[in-house]
Amino acid sequence: AQRVTQPEKLLSVFKGAPVELKCNYSYSGSPELFWYVQYSRQRLQLLLRHISRESIKGFTADLNKGETSFHLKKPFAQEEDSAMYYCALRGSGSEKLVFGKGMKLTVNP
Amino acid sequence: GAGVSQSPSNKVTEKGKDVELRCDPISGHTALYWYRQSLGQGLEFLIYFQGNSAPDKSGLPSDRFSAERTGGSVSTLTIQRTQQEDSAVYLCASSSIYRDLTDTQYFGPGTRLTVL
Repeated sequence: AQRVTQPEKLLSVFKGAPVELKCNYSYSGSPELFWYVQYSRQRLQLLLRHISRESIKGFTADLNKGETSFHLKKPFAQEEDSAMYYCALRGSGSEKLVFGKGMKLTVNP
Repeated sequence: GAGVSQSPSNKVTEKGKDVELRCDPISGHTALYWYRQSLGQGLEFLIYFQGNSAPDKSGLPSDRFSAERTGGSVSTLTIQRTQQEDSAVYLCASSSIYRDLTDTQYFGPGTRLTVL
């Protein structure tokens, strides 16, 4: 079965602090992992995907197959990073995304 | 260009009534998805359409739920005999095909359904 777990529902940090949003997955094959973000009153949008290996808005995420994790990290959080973050998985040969339950990040001034 | 659009943005209905939710995908996108976003449940896959292939209905929670995609573009999600547990935000997404794989999914703003 495919499952995505985001163990924390809420994270509150101060501006400039490092953040790490945890994501663990369960899948027997080679998955594709994504982070989606939803800012207040905006639609859900892709933040980054592991195959791109790029940094978006200062965020990075590394797929660790040994630990089955895809944690999202940013060294210095900004107030505009406050949003809901969803980790998602797509299994090989599958088209649907399996999402975690999301985590709300609040960056305080 | 225009993104995925959904209508209505909000729908309030009485228990037992039927509702129809509409999705207009990005022009040229052949893949279309419906998801449901409920409190405490996160985002759940409902159904997937790709071109003229048979849809993947594996996520539909009951036979009260159905969806159509006419002409490979607009899709309608229908919920019959609505129940209070159907209250949620229904999200539509579309994507193109790249190297025989569906590419990034672009989401619409959602329809918030409230069943009284």
